[in-house]
Amino acid sequence: AQTVTQSQPEMSVQEAETVTLSCTYDTSENNYYLFWYKQPPSRQMILVIRQEAYKQQNATENRFSVNFQKAAKSFSLKISDSQLGDTAMYFCAFMKESGGGADGLTFGKGTHLIIQP
Amino acid sequence: ETGVTQTPRHLVMGMTNKKSLKCEQHLGHNAMYWYKQSAKKPLELMFVYNFKEQTENNSVPSRFSPECPNSSHLFLHLHTLQPEDSALYLCASSQVGEGLDTQYFGPGTRLTVL
Repeated sequence: AQTVTQSQPEMSVQEAETVTLSCTYDTSENNYYLFWYKQPPSRQMILVIRQEAYKQQNATENRFSVNFQKAAKSFSLKISDSQLGDTAMYFCAFMKESGGGADGLTFGKGTHLIIQP
Repeated sequence: ETGVTQTPRHLVMGMTNKKSLKCEQHLGHNAMYWYKQSAKKPLELMFVYNFKEQTENNSVPSRFSPECPNSSHLFLHLHTLQPEDSALYLCASSQVGEGLDTQYFGPGTRLTVL
């Protein structure tokens, strides 16, 4: 079984600052995927960024980037030039590679990120 | 409509009622999922359907009964629920078998059991 740990229940930064959210996971799988999802007050779960474990290059999506350390089982999210609209719950999630079948996500407890004006 | 839709968005029911949650995906995906999001707990996977076949039941009580008539529709039938079943129920879909299977979520149904 997999576990995902997000050790920061809440973080608060000023607008335009850079913030890093931490995530660690535990698994015996060698092939898997990692995700960051954002859940704003509307409760709609929105994909922020994803990473394949076999790729050494860290994924980036505009202001969002990850620091993926496979050996350390760490997958942090960096948000640059933070904006008020980034205020949300952020969830780190793990999915094992299931060889063409469907598999569920294992989520962390989330980090509530607040961007202050 | 685009993406993943869920109806109703809010539902209040008594413990003796029978109700159903509906999820529809407009993304052409072949897998669908139910998750439960309770206060102070991580999102929990409930059921997985791959090509209309249930491939995972994550030890969910029998008072929750899923149904997947085709790859675009997913239902969660509810009966004799308990107050602790009050939660946000999220549906998701993905396209499996083509590499990175990213799950896309609907807006959720907020369920309150009285």
